Amino acid sequence: DIVMTQSPLSLPVIPGESASISCRSSQSLLHRNGNHYLDWYLQRPGQSPQLLISLGSYRASGVPDRFSGSGSGTDFTLKISRVEADDVGVYYCMQATQTPHTFGQGTRVEI
Amino acid sequence: QRQLVQSGPEVKKPGTSVKVSCKTSGFTFSSSTIQWVRQARGQSLEWIGWIVLGSGNTKYAQRFQERVSFTRDMSTTTAYMELSSLRFEDTAVYYCAADGGGWGQGTPVTVSS
Repeated sequence: DIVMTQSPLSLPVIPGESASISCRSSQSLLHRNGNHYLDWYLQRPGQSPQLLISLGSYRASGVPDRFSGSGSGTDFTLKISRVEADDVGVYYCMQATQTPHTFGQGTRVEI
Repeated sequence: QRQLVQSGPEVKKPGTSVKVSCKTSGFTFSSSTIQWVRQARGQSLEWIGWIVLGSGNTKYAQRFQERVSFTRDMSTTTAYMELSSLRFEDTAVYYCAADGGGWGQGTPVTVSS
């Protein structure tokens, strides 16, 4: 199975500033079709996860452009610009290049 | 707007089975895929598998292969997950999620003697 490793595991942020979360995979996430199947999710306290980014860098419908995803191969990054209070929660990366799909441990973002 | 509404909390004894439903609306059921994911308290997310709703084809994570079954009802646009031979460590919140976004609210399953 592909192991997903996130860092940091805890991230204190200041409203208005930027924050970045790293996600590394134990194998390349480059699929033979040329896509990287790497998603980012946010789970707010007491809620279900919601999709933020798919295919490494494509924002899901309704997601503010303050969220951006980048990376390739085994290294991926989620950047949050101008952090807001509503951004608190646990962020997860998930790879879907290979089954079983696997998640990172989660990064807790708090103000 | 995609909506996935799951069935309510369950309390089960070890060795029994549980069946969780996921009623969908707001997207073309027959063209979509549903994934099932679970989360134990305070833990990360764990992928159980997927079902391609149009064909009924399924893919299960190896560790659940012998105990899990995904089905769907095209007439009611509802997906189902059944997990058998329940163990204490199956206690978790179970989620359904549609491809492209949209998750159910989660179904807590407690396995207790």
